Amino acid sequence: GQQLNQSPQSMFIQEGEDVSMNCTSSSIFNTWLWYKQDPGEGPVLLIALYKAGELTSNGRLTAQFGITRKDSFLNISASIPSDVGIYFCAGLTTSGTYKYIFGTGTRLKVLA
Amino acid sequence: GAGVSQTPSNKVTEKGKYVELRCDPISGHTALYWYRQSLGQGPEFLIYFQGTGAADDSGLPNDRFFAVRPEGSVSTLKIQRTERGDSAVYLCASSHGTDTQYFGPGTRLTVL
Repeated sequence: GQQLNQSPQSMFIQEGEDVSMNCTSSSIFNTWLWYKQDPGEGPVLLIALYKAGELTSNGRLTAQFGITRKDSFLNISASIPSDVGIYFCAGLTTSGTYKYIFGTGTRLKVLA
Repeated sequence: GAGVSQTPSNKVTEKGKYVELRCDPISGHTALYWYRQSLGQGPEFLIYFQGTGAADDSGLPNDRFFAVRPEGSVSTLKIQRTERGDSAVYLCASSHGTDTQYFGPGTRLTVL
């Protein structure tokens, strides 16, 4: 099935460092979402973006909806050990049904 | 319940057998989604229900896969003649209309 391109695929960082990851698509989306998934759990929504150019924050997390509507970025500031997990982007298709296409994931490991 | 629940949490079956996976959405949520997540990948869309009807089943890989939601609440994903390639985590999500999707913990299916 279709998946969005996320980079980097994985990251090892030191506690306290900032993290950036992005998601790109060949298709335009009206909504971008960012999820975090812990082992054995379903994805949990972090941030939702509804408008091109929108910049939204949730605590230490900041995400942006790209102007072209084909990309999105997620930044995590001052990382802590509990930030460990897999981060997924998801775009809502504009094809008439409310179907989300997910990215391939960015695996984050934080070294204390 | 407070969140989306899925049963069983784990299912091991033999090649060729039939399996049913159950999803209990958040009470009052009209939309229900099924996704399949293979190891190291993001969730892949399978089917989306709005009420009792399948609004989009374009993600079902073949006719061995079928899902129902007879009363607009609980949904069952049915897989006939299972194959080893069907092994994955099957995730269910629900939402109120087109609002935020909330995921369950998933059912890990292993086909031997």
